[in-house]
Amino acid sequence: AQSVTQLDSQVPVFEEAPVELRCNYSSSVSVYLFWYVQYPNQGLQLLLKYLSGSTLVESINGFEAEFNKSQTSFHLRKPSVHISDTAEYFCAVSNFGNEKLTFGTGTRLTIIP
Amino acid sequence: GAGVSQSPSNKVTEKGKDVELRCDPISGHTALYWYRQRLGQGLEFLIYFQGNSAPDKSGLPSDRFSAERTGESVSTLTIQRTQQEDSAVYLCASSPAGREGAYNSPLHFGNGTRLTVT
Repeated sequence: AQSVTQLDSQVPVFEEAPVELRCNYSSSVSVYLFWYVQYPNQGLQLLLKYLSGSTLVESINGFEAEFNKSQTSFHLRKPSVHISDTAEYFCAVSNFGNEKLTFGTGTRLTIIP
Repeated sequence: GAGVSQSPSNKVTEKGKDVELRCDPISGHTALYWYRQRLGQGLEFLIYFQGNSAPDKSGLPSDRFSAERTGESVSTLTIQRTQQEDSAVYLCASSPAGREGAYNSPLHFGNGTRLTVT
């Protein structure tokens, strides 16, 4: 069975400060890892994903996440946040041959002007 | 183009009543998923449809829950004899990929149906 843990339910950050949203997973087989984002009054959308290859993956809006197999983590980072990054962020895991995504409980990122 | 559409956006029902939730996936998407999100919890997988294959119903919490899909289009999730613990946001998502490549294609989510059972 696979599972995802997002320890922080809420993260307040000042504008232009760095942020890290934590995600840890457990799985008995090789994993694929995803971050989804839900902006206010919108549906969830894919932010970035790790399937294979380089362990550092980036999104188009400045977020990055690093797959760390030894620590079973896939933390999401951004060096300088903007008001528009206010959203709920969900980490998710799946395995090859098992397309069911298992989601974490989400982290609400609030940007303080 | 149009995204995944879910209706109604909000539904309030009395305990014991049946409810039907609708999902219109993106045209051409072969895969369709239903998830449930209870307050303060993650997204809970309910059911997965892929083309004409038998659906994966392993996430349905009880036999009060059922879902249908017409070909590769509309899906309905039915909850019979609703209970207060059924209160949640029900999310539908579709994907263009088949079973072997579902992990490689992002899920496109609707805005969900917020179900409140009183």
